[in-house]
Amino acid sequence: GNSVTQMEGPVTLSEEAFLTINCTYTATGYPSLFWYVQYPGEGLQLLLKATKADDKGSNKGFEATYRKETTSFHLEKGSVQVSDSAVYFCALRGSSGNTPLVFGKGTRLSVIA
Amino acid sequence: DTGVSQDPRHKITKRGQNVTFRCDPISEHNRLYWYRQTLGQGPEFLTYFQNEAQLEKSRLLSDRFSAERPKGSFSTLEIQRTEQGDSAMYLCASSLESRSTEAFFGQGTRLTVV
Repeated sequence: GNSVTQMEGPVTLSEEAFLTINCTYTATGYPSLFWYVQYPGEGLQLLLKATKADDKGSNKGFEATYRKETTSFHLEKGSVQVSDSAVYFCALRGSSGNTPLVFGKGTRLSVIA
Repeated sequence: DTGVSQDPRHKITKRGQNVTFRCDPISEHNRLYWYRQTLGQGPEFLTYFQNEAQLEKSRLLSDRFSAERPKGSFSTLEIQRTEQGDSAMYLCASSLESRSTEAFFGQGTRLTVV
């Protein structure tokens, strides 16, 4: 079945540091890939998405590129801020479209000033 | 606000009692999903509906769990004879029918079974 593996946290960074959160997936065909973010006390929100190989999703300074050859969708940001502290979830939806989102376990990011 | 809403936000119940949660999706969304999230884990899929039809149920959804979406709008999730292991955040999400569209999540119902 479809699955997502992401790096375990927590990740603690200083403000303005570079962020990478690794995500790899297992799926048949060409799934759609997503990053969701959960800020403290809030619900899950879509951060970015990519629907085909080599697509780059981007939002709020975050980027992730759909790499079919390595089955990866790593999240990056060049300069993190304290306000980026949250839990980040990588997710996929299968290529058939009739499958629900499958999530990774989440990576907690703490950014300190 | 036209987002996904869930009620109640918090529920504390005694073991063995029944509980019911409600989810109101975004009005034009025909798909509605229920997930469960425990501490330190990602959301785990429970079940989903397309309009009023329940199309898939996870193995996590034991016989004590039942979900309905009678008119293809709001949905309810009932847990009968609750157990301490049912304590979790129950999330509802809705989306349009497409492999590429995102799902929009509600803020969840936190269940504590004592």
